[in-house]
Amino acid sequence: EAGVAQSPRYKIIEKRQSVAFWCNPISGHATLYWYQQILGQGPKLLIQFQNNGVVDDSQLPKDRFSAERLKGVDSTLKIQPAKLEDSAVYLCASSLGPGLAGGPRTDTQYFGPGTRLTVL
Amino acid sequence: GQSLEQPSEVTAVEGAIVQINCTYQTSGFYGLSWYQQHDGGAPTFLSYNGLDGLEETGRFSSFLSRSDSYGYLLLQELQMKDSASYFCAVSYEGGKLIFGQGTELSVKP
Repeated sequence: EAGVAQSPRYKIIEKRQSVAFWCNPISGHATLYWYQQILGQGPKLLIQFQNNGVVDDSQLPKDRFSAERLKGVDSTLKIQPAKLEDSAVYLCASSLGPGLAGGPRTDTQYFGPGTRLTVL
Repeated sequence: GQSLEQPSEVTAVEGAIVQINCTYQTSGFYGLSWYQQHDGGAPTFLSYNGLDGLEETGRFSSFLSRSDSYGYLLLQELQMKDSASYFCAVSYEGGKLIFGQGTELSVKP
């Protein structure tokens, strides 16, 4: 079974430029997550999709970040304009579903290799 | 708010046993997960505790005590390849994960 795919793996841009990241989740996974991981820290959730709907985007800086999952499969995350503090690894993860209390676990998250963004 | 605390670094020798602790301040969560991340790699799921007690998966075990707001990951028979960062994470309804800052484990020969 193929894992979560992300591209590009590396991106270097100057501040105020725009950048987009792409994620293809594991086939059949309804839930997709985007995380930001700053060097030396744990991943921080930016946005969670269930199929093509947004479940949680409370931590997404909406003035500059946007994400979509139009057909409920692939997703893109965009930053416009980028700031120096956006330098981080952007991780995409997917799971079968959201998970329900007392039910079988379907919410184990599988991560892609990430995109390392450097903003100069 | 939600917060998780882990030691930033742990060092151990090959063949030894190491325990990585995780204390948290949160409520209403479903369970505690552990992820491993090698330098430059993707986080990989290791273990999950939905109930109090010990879960064993090969050389790795994880423990949760909700009354003590505490959990740990136990790694036995350490190997050089276990050198990595280890993250505890609390999971909530809908699958949301909140990660700790991570513990960097160095295994020495």
